[in-house]
Amino acid sequence: GENVEQHPSTLSVQEGDSAVIKCTYSDSASNYFPWYKQELGKGPQLIIDIRSNVGEKKDQRIAVTLNKTAKHFSLHITETQPEDSAVYFCAARDRGGSSNTGKLIFGQGTTLQVKP
Amino acid sequence: NAGVTQTPKFRILKIGQSMTLQCTQDMNHNYMYWYRQDPGMGLKLIYYSVGAGITDKGEVPNGYNVSRSTTEDFPLRLELAAPSQTSVYFCASSPQGDYGYTFGSGTRLTVV
Repeated sequence: GENVEQHPSTLSVQEGDSAVIKCTYSDSASNYFPWYKQELGKGPQLIIDIRSNVGEKKDQRIAVTLNKTAKHFSLHITETQPEDSAVYFCAARDRGGSSNTGKLIFGQGTTLQVKP
Repeated sequence: NAGVTQTPKFRILKIGQSMTLQCTQDMNHNYMYWYRQDPGMGLKLIYYSVGAGITDKGEVPNGYNVSRSTTEDFPLRLELAAPSQTSVYFCASSPQGDYGYTFGSGTRLTVV
């Protein structure tokens, strides 16, 4: 089955700097890679996703890049703000088996702290 | 729309007790999931369902059970609670297998 590794586990940046979180996955058949933001006491919220037919996707200050050959994908946040402080999770679609069950395998999470 | 609603938000159980974590969604999503979140471990899939009447095990199903009698509801049952089941539980739903999830706000369960 799919395995996802996420680094770093914690990341501290100054407001205005960029932040990068990296994930690797094991199953070359995976074709969908979402990123979630979890604020304290809340459920994870989808912030951006990318499919395997695309190498990069941007949405305002956030972007995701995908390298299928190396089996890794990254989240980039530019011009960070204090409200970006949260736990971020990457995930990969588990394509094990013959049917698409929609199962996601999550990374371990990155706690991002943006210092004012 | 309320999205995905989980109840209760907090619960303390004694070892050996049982309980049901409720999850309901009003988006007419076919796919529903239960995850548990432990510190530094990410989210682990407990059970999932691709439609009413269909359920299957995820990565960590032991000690849990589910049912899916309607599209809207996907309750998670804990039988004979153990301290290892202390965790935060999240329910999620998705319209199809190739889309992202909408998560509920979670249930924080402590077993003492």
